[in-house]
Amino acid sequence: GIQVEQSPPDLILQEGANSTLRCNFSDSVNNLQWFHQNPWGQLINLFYIPSGTKQNGRLSATTVATERYSLLYISSSQTTDSGVYFCAVEATSGSRLTFGEGTQLTVNP
Amino acid sequence: DTAVSQTPKYLVTQMGNDKSIKCEQNLGHDTMYWYKQDSKKFLKIMFSYNNKELIINETVPNRFSPKSPDKAHLNLHINSLELGDSAVYFCASSQAGAWQETQYFGPGTRLLVL
Repeated sequence: GIQVEQSPPDLILQEGANSTLRCNFSDSVNNLQWFHQNPWGQLINLFYIPSGTKQNGRLSATTVATERYSLLYISSSQTTDSGVYFCAVEATSGSRLTFGEGTQLTVNP
Repeated sequence: DTAVSQTPKYLVTQMGNDKSIKCEQNLGHDTMYWYKQDSKKFLKIMFSYNNKELIINETVPNRFSPKSPDKAHLNLHINSLELGDSAVYFCASSQAGAWQETQYFGPGTRLLVL
């Protein structure tokens, strides 16, 4: 099956800093999503982005499907951005949504 | 109003018991999902229903049986619980089928099997 690798596994930032999270995948995809899980466990679907670029406030995501990666940008980070960010993909050859292991982000005040 | 709700939020039970988790969404969505998150926070899709029809069943043991009485509800029944079933179970819904649009998640049900 498709492999999904996220980097870095852990990231610690000071409030106000910018960051880039990366998601690499091993096969062509027709679906890619980013999720945030806050420290209390609540999951939020941030972006549905199989290709191109989308922005939502301080967050933006870019997927380059031909090169098999996606990037999540967080600008002017806030403590509320802390949590785990997951990338998930659906391979063109299959119907399963496969998750990466996540990036644990800690934003310190 | 809560968009996607799950009951119970916590469930502690003995091995071998049968238990159910309920999920309801008031968003008018057509598609609902069950996910499992293990102790290492790894997420995995279990099932997906679209308009009460099962569309995805991801190699889940047949001790797990989802039921969708209507498109606003997707319940998960687990027979003969095992230690490895301990996890957080998330319900989610989306307007379109099979992850084509934004999913909305419930708060999760934390299941501990002793």
